[in-house]
Amino acid sequence: QVVLTQSPSASASLGASVKLTCTLSSGHSTYAIAWHQQQPQKGPRYLMNLTGDGSHARGDGIPARFSGSSSGAERYLTISSLQSEDEADYYCQTWGTVVVFGGGTKLTVL
Amino acid sequence: VQLQESGPGLVKPSETMSLTCAVSGDSMIGYQWAWIRQFPGKGLDWIGYISYNGDVNYSPSFQRRMTMSVDTSKKRFSLRLASVTAADTAIYYCARAGPGDSRALDSWGQGTLVTVSS
Repeated sequence: QVVLTQSPSASASLGASVKLTCTLSSGHSTYAIAWHQQQPQKGPRYLMNLTGDGSHARGDGIPARFSGSSSGAERYLTISSLQSEDEADYYCQTWGTVVVFGGGTKLTVL
Repeated sequence: VQLQESGPGLVKPSETMSLTCAVSGDSMIGYQWAWIRQFPGKGLDWIGYISYNGDVNYSPSFQRRMTMSVDTSKKRFSLRLASVTAADTAIYYCARAGPGDSRALDSWGQGTLVTVSS
């Protein structure tokens, strides 16, 4: 079964860019994933779908400063021009016979 | 599409928990309809999903206690979890996955807190 690995935390300054990583387990490097954002005390929000070749499609209303890219088994979420409301937990998600979530990365905007 | 969970906020141990998700703004046809839960301060756990045509896929962790149903005419789907314990206390979210082979969860409800306590 596929496993997704995320760093527990990340931080970056207001106005800067940050790149979050989601790593697919061995043998699953071609899988597509989805990125989700969960702001404090809110439900998750879909950000984008991201394929193994780096193609990504943002969800409705998601600004272009959220972008995705891929390299091998790594899937990235880059957030540019960081704003205070970007401080949130970010989860990657994939699917095969089951749906799997990564453990989430808590992003702090300094 | 908008999703809205509803159900009792408090359930007694050993009873069956029932939650419903109302779907508005789009048809249910062609999509999978999922349930996810989250323990306070923890990550997301997939519970299972049901297709618009009634096909189900449950997480192995819940398979023995889980029943999902869908009513496309009323635009809602439901979850029943039997023999609940305090360990089932969590926020429960409904979500949409798809279309086609994709299981990316592209719309989420706001979540409902369920507490299991006597």
